[in-house]
Amino acid sequence: AQKVTQAQTEISVVEKEDVTLDCVYETRDTTYYLFWYKQPPSGELVFLIRRNSFDEQNEISGRYSWNFQKSTSSFNFTITASQVVDSAVYFCALSEAKTSYDKVIFGPGTSLSVIP
Amino acid sequence: NAGVTQTPKFRVLKTGQSMTLLCAQDMNHEYMYWYRQDPGMGLRLIHYSVGEGTTAKGEVPDGYNVSRLKKQNFLLGLESAAPSQTSVYFCASTLTAGGSPLHFGNGTRLTVT
Repeated sequence: AQKVTQAQTEISVVEKEDVTLDCVYETRDTTYYLFWYKQPPSGELVFLIRRNSFDEQNEISGRYSWNFQKSTSSFNFTITASQVVDSAVYFCALSEAKTSYDKVIFGPGTSLSVIP
Repeated sequence: NAGVTQTPKFRVLKTGQSMTLLCAQDMNHEYMYWYRQDPGMGLRLIHYSVGEGTTAKGEVPDGYNVSRLKKQNFLLGLESAAPSQTSVYFCASTLTAGGSPLHFGNGTRLTVT
């Protein structure tokens, strides 16, 4: 069964520090997609990134970077030089080919507080 | 461009009452989802639909029913509300499966007393 674990419930950092949010997933499928979503204090859910299981290249987008490692079933998210606007709950999610990618399962989320 | 619209935004119910949450999307998306968000539990999938006239159970379907009579609408029903159904409910849609990102509504905060 598909499962996503985000062991860090809450993280607090001082502005300009780097922070890594962990995501560990479980799947018996060889083909799947992983996602990260952001939920700022205003409550809306915003898509950040998608990665398919055949693409293990790390990705960087500005201060954000993602490290996908199939060997450890992890898809970690790093924010460099954090800012107050990064304060949010971040969710990792998974969809599998064997369910035709229909079901998108989320982890419990990590609440990030960036202190000025 | 409205995207995904959920109504109502807030609702308070008494135990045993029924209600329907409406989700409407104007993006011609095939796939629609209902999630509930609870502290420490993340987003849990209640039901989903892969097209007009179809529905399927997610992780936590008990106590809920859904219908997708029109492609643009996905209704979530609570026949007999219980305090355990106090939550924030999010609807989402996506054009296709296979990695397309989900577009979320702004949520419905439901309290059952």
